[in-house]
Amino acid sequence: AQTVTQSQPEMSVQEAETVTLSCTYDTSESDYYLFWYKQPPSRQMILVIRQEAYKQQNATENRFSVNFQKAAKSFSLKISDSQLGDAAMYFCAYRTALSGTYKYIFGTGTRLKVLA
Amino acid sequence: AAGVIQSPRHLIKEKRETATLKCYPIPRHDTVYWYQQGPGQDPQFLISFYEKMQSDKGSIPDRFSAQQFSDYHSELNMSSLELGDSALYFCASSRTGVNEQYFGPGTRLTVT
Repeated sequence: AQTVTQSQPEMSVQEAETVTLSCTYDTSESDYYLFWYKQPPSRQMILVIRQEAYKQQNATENRFSVNFQKAAKSFSLKISDSQLGDAAMYFCAYRTALSGTYKYIFGTGTRLKVLA
Repeated sequence: AAGVIQSPRHLIKEKRETATLKCYPIPRHDTVYWYQQGPGQDPQFLISFYEKMQSDKGSIPDRFSAQQFSDYHSELNMSSLELGDSALYFCASSRTGVNEQYFGPGTRLTVT
């Protein structure tokens, strides 16, 4: 069975600085998808970025980028120029590429605090 | 753009009562997922439907059942509610060929 681990329960970053959130996963599959979701105090789950395992290039979305290391099974999220609105819970999620089940397996989350 | 709609947003029930949560996926999305997020926890997968058929099942109690209707909306029925069922219940939808799921705002269920 696949597992997702986020070893940092809480992180803090100064406004305008850069922070990296860690995520590791365990799987025997070769094709899968990885995601980062943001959950602000409203509790809405918002997609931040996704990465296809077959792609070597790291995904980037504006100030958000990932460092995907397939061999190490690592998928970290880098937030540049942190803003107060980035304060939230961040969840890493895994989804198989095999047909029949597309459920997400989430990590336990990292709470990000942004300091003014 | 249209988003996933969940109703009600908040629900308070007593132990042993029944609750029904509704989910309306994004138009043209053919798959619906249900997740349960307890306090301070990550979302846990309950069940999913593809084209109105159950496609996968997670750690869903036998007291819970769900279905997807012809208009693709889905309902999660929860009976004999227990205090431990108090949680945020998310519905998410996706479309074949698109890998990410889009989440609704959630239904906060409180069992007293």
